[in-house]
Amino acid sequence: GQNIDQPTEMTATEGAIVQINCTYQTSGFNGLFWYQQHAGEAPTFLSYNVLDGLEEKGRFSSFLSRSKGYSYLLLKELQMKDSASYLCAIMDSNYQLIWGAGTKLIIKP
Amino acid sequence: EAGVAQSPRYKIIEKRQSVAFWCNPISGHATLYWYQQILGQGPKLLIQFQNNGVVDDSQLPKDRFSAERLKGVDSTLKIQPAKLEDSAVYLCASSLGQGHTDTQYFGPGTRLTVL
Repeated sequence: GQNIDQPTEMTATEGAIVQINCTYQTSGFNGLFWYQQHAGEAPTFLSYNVLDGLEEKGRFSSFLSRSKGYSYLLLKELQMKDSASYLCAIMDSNYQLIWGAGTKLIIKP
Repeated sequence: EAGVAQSPRYKIIEKRQSVAFWCNPISGHATLYWYQQILGQGPKLLIQFQNNGVVDDSQLPKDRFSAERLKGVDSTLKIQPAKLEDSAVYLCASSLGQGHTDTQYFGPGTRLTVL
């Protein structure tokens, strides 16, 4: 079967660093996406990893280990506007996106 | 560049009624997706179009849901008749369609409440 696990909710402090983990078991792998979704809004693209390693994009970085079926999204210098849900999605062997349930990140001042 | 447009943004209906949603993808995007997102869950793919052809509709409840993209641009998703469990946000997304791993861009969604 296909399975994507993310923590349901995390809390962090403004200005700090937070790491959101995603583990997966899917039928095939053609890349991993991270999306941000503010409450009541559509998901917006953050990052795409297909090879092992770290991809850095400003305050956000995404890491992938295909052998471990593991990824994380690292958010630095947290701002209040980063309060949102973060969705991990895997592109499977049929090039379909399989979505996790998302991690709700709460930023406190 | 204009994003993915959807209407209406909100819809409240009673069970057994019909409802239709409209989506206009980003100009030039060949691939269009309809997703259902229930509160607290990730999006679930309902149907994927490549131009005006269906690529995948394996998770579309065809006894009540239908979708079309007649001219390969705009698309409509219809539910007839609606059930209580259809209450969700219906998201439309589009991608270039030039490669399998194209990034998907989402519209604002339609929040459906079935009473």
